[in-house]
Order: sequence, then C-alpha cells, then structure tokens
Amino acid sequence: AQTVTQSQPEMSVQEAETVTLSCTYDTSESDYYLFWYKQPPSRQMILVIRQEAYKQQNATENRFSVNFQKAAKSFSLKISDSQLGDAAMYFCAYRSRDWAAGNKLTFGGGTRVLVKP
Amino acid sequence: NAGVTQTPKFQVLKTGQSMTLQCAQDMNHEYMSWYRQDPGMGLRLIHYSVGAGITDQGEVPNGYNVSRSTTEDFPLRLLSAAPSQTSVYFCASSFSGANVLTFGAGSRLTVL
Repeated sequence: AQTVTQSQPEMSVQEAETVTLSCTYDTSESDYYLFWYKQPPSRQMILVIRQEAYKQQNATENRFSVNFQKAAKSFSLKISDSQLGDAAMYFCAYRSRDWAAGNKLTFGGGTRVLVKP
Repeated sequence: NAGVTQTPKFQVLKTGQSMTLQCAQDMNHEYMSWYRQDPGMGLRLIHYSVGAGITDQGEVPNGYNVSRSTTEDFPLRLLSAAPSQTSVYFCASSFSGANVLTFGAGSRLTVL
C-alpha cells in the first residue's frame, strides 16, 4: 500500500515571500499521479497542481510550482509571492495509474500555511 | 451545474443512532467515493464505486454501508453511530478515465 507523509504540520510565511511544503511518498509502482490540494476554512477541497510521474518536467500553475524528485520519492510545493488568500491546509495526495483500481487517492496528513501581512 | 452536493452539512447524533449522508452529482461521473477527514490524518477512503451497482471498500470501511443504485447518487449509511465516527465526510466523483476528483463541500458529523 502507498503512504504519503507531510512532515511539516504548520508553516508560516510573510506576505509576498516564498514558502515550500514538503511531501514524501512510498510506492512500488513506477507510474502514478501526485497532487496538491488546498483546503481553506470553507472546507472545500481545491486542486492546486498535479504531476504525472512519467513526466520529468515539474508542473507549474501560476504562483504554484512543484519539485518532483522521483528517485527520492519527494514532491514539494512552492508557493511564490504568497498572498493572504493562500492561508489554508495543504494536502499532498497520491493516485495509482492503475485504472482498474478506480480513482482512489491516498492523502498525507496536511500542512497548515499561515500568511502574515 | 451543481457539481457534487452533500447533505446535510452538519449533523449531531447520539451513540447508536443511524443516519444517511447523501451525495449527488449531476456530471454523469461513473466514479464516486466517500472520504473521512480527521485532524492530522488527512482524508481516508471509506468506500468507492466505479459505476451503478458496483461498490468496494476503501481503507476504513468498518461501520459504514454504501449502495449505488443510480449513476447520480451514492449515499453513505451509518447503521449504529459511534463516537469514533465523529469526523468531516467528503464525497468525491470523477469520470472513470480522469485523474481529477470533484469534491463536495463536506458534512460535519458529531456523535455524542
């Protein structure tokens, strides 16, 4: 079974600065997907960014980018130019590429991001 | 489109009571699933369905039942609620070939 670990329960960042969230995972599979989800106080789960393991290029979405290190099984999220609206819980998640297994996600425990004005 | 709709948003139960959390989606998604979210543990999969009439267990299925009689609906039943089932519950859906889930807004359940 796959496991996802987020070792930082909470991170604090100054507005306009950069923060990096860590995520490591354990799997015996060679092909899979990785995701970062944002959960603001509204509780809604919002997809921030996704990465396909067979793609070496790191995914980027505006101010959000990832550092995907497949050999190290590491998938960190960088938030640049942090804004007050970035304050939320962030979850790293893993999905097998085995379509027969269904669209099942394995989540990490989450990292709370605080943004200081 | 309404997306994924969960009801109720909040519920308080006494130990031993039963209830059903409703989940409906209007996107014709084949895949539907239920997660629970507990502090420090992220979301954990309870049950999932890859189509009408087909359900399977996830990581933490004990104490929960599901059925999928239509493509649109995937209710989660608690037959005899326990305090350990106090949690926030999320329903999520997707097309079978997609890798992005659409989540509902969540339902906060408290069992006293």
